[in-house]
Amino acid sequence: AQTVTQSQPEMSVQEAETVTLSCTYDTSESDYYLFWYKQPPSRQMILVIRQEAYKQQNATENRFSVNFQKAAKSFSLKISDSQLGDAAMYFCAYRSTGNQGGKLIFGQGTELSVKP
Amino acid sequence: DTGVSQDPRHKITKRGQNVTFRCDPISEHNRLYWYRQTLGQGPEFLTYFQNEAQLEKSRLLSDRFSAERPKGSFSTLEIQRTEQGDSAMYLCASSLTPRETQYFGPGTRLLVL
Repeated sequence: AQTVTQSQPEMSVQEAETVTLSCTYDTSESDYYLFWYKQPPSRQMILVIRQEAYKQQNATENRFSVNFQKAAKSFSLKISDSQLGDAAMYFCAYRSTGNQGGKLIFGQGTELSVKP
Repeated sequence: DTGVSQDPRHKITKRGQNVTFRCDPISEHNRLYWYRQTLGQGPEFLTYFQNEAQLEKSRLLSDRFSAERPKGSFSTLEIQRTEQGDSAMYLCASSLTPRETQYFGPGTRLLVL
């Protein structure tokens, strides 16, 4: 069975600085998807960024980028130029490929606070 | 399109009562997922539907839980004889296909007294 681990329960960053959130996963599959979701306080979960395992190039979305190390089974999220609105719980998630699957397997989450 | 909606947003009930939650996915999304999230934890998968067919159920889904998606549109999740351990946020998500991004609703927060 696949597992996702986020070893940082809490992180803090100064506004305009850069922060990196860590995620490791375990799987025997060769093709899969990885995601970072953001869950602001009392608000719904939204997708931040996704990575297909077969792609060697790291995904980027504006200020958000990932460092995907397939051999090490590591998938970290870098937030550049942090903003107050980035404060939230961040969840790393794994999903198998194939039409019969689709469920997301989440890590425990990292609570990010942004200091003005 | 207003996204995934869930009703109610909050529910307080007494132990032993039955509760039912509703999820309306994004229009034309064939896949619908239910997750449960306890405080300080990541969401855990409960079950999912492809149109009206329930294709997978987690072992977390005891026989007190039942989910339906009768016409392949909205879905309901019912918990019978609620227990205090059922207190959690129940999240619904939908996607157009299995490979597409899942979009989440705001969740239903359940408190069992």
